[in-house]
Amino acid sequence: NAGVTQTPKFRVLKTGQSMTLLCAQDMNHEYMYWYRQDPGMGLRLIHYSVGEGTTAKGEVPDGYNVSRLKKQNFLLGLESAAPSQTSVYFCASSFRTGRGSYTFGSGTRLTVV
Amino acid sequence: AQTVTQSQPEMSVQEAETVTLSCTYDTSESNYYLFWYKQPPSRQMILVIRQEAYKQQNATENRFSVNFQKAAKSFSLKISDSQLGDTAMYFCAFMNRDDKIIFGKGTRLHILP
Repeated sequence: NAGVTQTPKFRVLKTGQSMTLLCAQDMNHEYMYWYRQDPGMGLRLIHYSVGEGTTAKGEVPDGYNVSRLKKQNFLLGLESAAPSQTSVYFCASSFRTGRGSYTFGSGTRLTVV
Repeated sequence: AQTVTQSQPEMSVQEAETVTLSCTYDTSESNYYLFWYKQPPSRQMILVIRQEAYKQQNATENRFSVNFQKAAKSFSLKISDSQLGDTAMYFCAFMNRDDKIIFGKGTRLHILP
């Protein structure tokens, strides 16, 4: 089925370790986004991309890097994980025109111990 | 800065009752989009309803309707004949001219049998 797929769904990291979260969409969407969700905070934008090869910072970018080498994939990297990065991470995508709503992935629960 | 405020962190209503969730936002833009998203315990983000700011008519989707007051920057969600499956976290969201969605902190809604 068409949609946004996030891998992995769960992960536990030790402080200082690195990892990459993968987001893949098969809807030919131009825009892709990474959000984090924390209790009582709603969803906050980390980084986003408006097209292949382009990325930009969102509201809470520190400690994260992203890459969009292919249109269908948007990778979120944690260089040196910290307990403050314990969160649920959501990827979303949308078309450029029409200003429609996002299609979300099912989320990745990350725990940093 | 654009902000979205949900003043009710948590609400409970009896099954079959009508419930209204409040949302206010702040923006200097004249044309934008507003959304209500539902997040059940499965964690999936589900679009409930969408409103375009230039349309005066309030959006409706089956049992879900909005009261959009542009001048007051208010966008409340009404759920009629509430069902147990409506139990979820509800997020009000605003899409700005850069196609980025800004979320409120959410209202946790409990439908009681």
